[in-house]
Formats: sequence, structure tokens, C-alpha cells
Amino acid sequence: DTGVSQDPRHKITKRGQNVTFRCDPISEHNRLYWYRQTLGQGPEFLTYFQNEAQLEKSRLLSDRFSAERPKGSFSTLEIQRTEQGDSAMYLCASSLKGARELFFGEGSRLTVL
Amino acid sequence: KQEVTQIPAALSVPEGENLVLNCSFTDSAIYNLQWFRQDPGKGLTSLLLIQSSQREQTSGRLNASLDKSSGRSTLYIAASQPGDSATYLCATLSGGSNYKLTFGKGTLLTVNP
Repeated sequence: DTGVSQDPRHKITKRGQNVTFRCDPISEHNRLYWYRQTLGQGPEFLTYFQNEAQLEKSRLLSDRFSAERPKGSFSTLEIQRTEQGDSAMYLCASSLKGARELFFGEGSRLTVL
Repeated sequence: KQEVTQIPAALSVPEGENLVLNCSFTDSAIYNLQWFRQDPGKGLTSLLLIQSSQREQTSGRLNASLDKSSGRSTLYIAASQPGDSATYLCATLSGGSNYKLTFGKGTLLTVNP
């Protein structure tokens, strides 16, 4: 499979715990994006990387959220001290620099109890 | 700030019917517009991408049109099938932000056998 891969697909956690999601982009894609989608809403932009550099973060990304892409390949999104409002689908996408089509993964669904 | 609206929010049709989903956007300075399909609990599958210079794109039973000047796009589905049941999302890639998609809330389509 050469698409965008996300892991885990579903995570259930208790409030206050930390969670980490991983995204593996399409291999030659140097841009990587994180979006969040809550129930009944469209996805909203969180952050994006070009290679290993994080170039923009949305105001939605509070200081409990941190994203990394250490070697310009896979990325991780960590949420510390989870809250019930963090329950959502976290979507990863990738693209080639200069190309304006994003390819999305299957998403990681977070449920905070 | 770009805003994307999709009407209707939900649509139920009998199998075999042709149907149109609508998408409107407030800022006409877009690079492209994409239509996605989302099955329950799943990620996004790209259906059609229309560049700003194009008027329409076709793939099988799907046809998407774009009228930048009026800020509108339509997704036409011919001879609908129960397998077409899903949420359909449109998203714009706006000028000045060639990495950030703005999504509508989607139209939930149900095709009844």
C-alpha cells in the first residue's frame, strides 16, 4: 500500500492521559498536514510540515498539542492531558511541494472518556 | 477568511435517481476545489479536483463543475446506487495559502434500494 498510513486507527483513553498518533506519508511527499474533524463538521487545519520544518500551526493547536516530523518522513501528533473536547478524528495528509492536491489517510479516531 | 457552505446538509433519494450536491464559497481567489467522499468512521477519499482555470471534471458517474465568479461548485451523481451512500465534502485551496484546505460541513447522502 503506497497511500498515507495512520496508526492507531482508534484510541480510547481516560481524561488526563497522553496519547500519540503516527502518520506515514506517501514516500516521495515532502509536505505533511494534520487536520482535526469533530462530529458533524468538516476537517479543520491544525499544522503542516515541509520536510522536517513545522511551518504553520493553527490557533486550534493548544499548548497541550505537539507535532513533530524529526527526519522529514513520518510525523507524530501528541496530545498531553487529554480532555473530552479532544475527542475527534485526527486526519493526516501529504503532498508534493508545489503540488496542490492533498492525499488523506484513514484517520485516527480519539475517544476521551 | 474563506467560508465554505454545503447545501443540503442531508439528502435521501431512491436508487437510480440523478442528484446534485451544492457547494458555495466566499473567496473566489482559489487554486482549486476538491470533492471528497467520507464513509462513516473513515478517512477522506478524493473524488474530483477542479483547478481554478477549469470549469468541470468528470469521473465515471460523477461530474463536478466550478463557477469561480459566483463562488459555486456542484457535484452531479448520475444513476445513484446504494453504495454511493456517504458524506460528501467539498474543500477549497485558497490563493495565498497553497497548503490549507477549507472544508464545508458536508452533505450526508443516503441512496435507498
